[in-house]
Amino acid sequence: AQTVTQSQPEMSVQEAETVTLSCTYDTSESDYYLFWYKQPPSRQMILVIRQEAYKQQNATENRFSVNFQKAAKSFSLKISDSQLGDAAMYFCAYRSAGNNDMRFGAGTRLTVKP
Amino acid sequence: GAGVSQSPSNKVTEKGKDVELRCDPISGHTALYWYRQSLGQGLEFLIYFQGNSAPDKSGLPSDRFSAERTGGSVSTLTIQRTQQEDSAVYLCASSLDRVNTGELFFGEGSRLTVL
Repeated sequence: AQTVTQSQPEMSVQEAETVTLSCTYDTSESDYYLFWYKQPPSRQMILVIRQEAYKQQNATENRFSVNFQKAAKSFSLKISDSQLGDAAMYFCAYRSAGNNDMRFGAGTRLTVKP
Repeated sequence: GAGVSQSPSNKVTEKGKDVELRCDPISGHTALYWYRQSLGQGLEFLIYFQGNSAPDKSGLPSDRFSAERTGGSVSTLTIQRTQQEDSAVYLCASSLDRVNTGELFFGEGSRLTVL
């Protein structure tokens, strides 16, 4: 079974600075998707960024980018120019192209200091 | 509707009572998921529905938990004889299918408190 590990339960960043959230995963498959979801206090999970395993280029969405290291099974999220609204729980997730369920990490709580 | 809708938003019940949680997925989405999120924890997979196929129930924690999806749309998660450890937020998500984009769209969840 695939597992997703987020080793940082909590992280803190100063407004306007950059922070990197770590995620590693374990799989024997070659075709899969990786995701970062954000969960603000409102509880609704929001997709931040997605990476297809077959793509070597790291995904980027505005201030959010990933460092995808397939051989190392690492998928970190970098948030640049952090804003107060970025404060939330961030979940890393794995989904096999040939499987049904999405596996989530335990989450990292990000605090943004003004 | 435009997004995944869940009801009730909050439910307080007494130990031993049965509860039903409802999920209305995005129209046209064939896949539907239920997850459980305990306080401050990650998401625990419960059950998955895909079209008319038999559901993947591998994540259900006990036989007190069951779910159905009628007409390939609305789903109901039922917890019988609730226990205090069932207290959690129950999240529903839907997606077009597993091949298309892989992205799940989530509802706001149902917070269950068992006294």
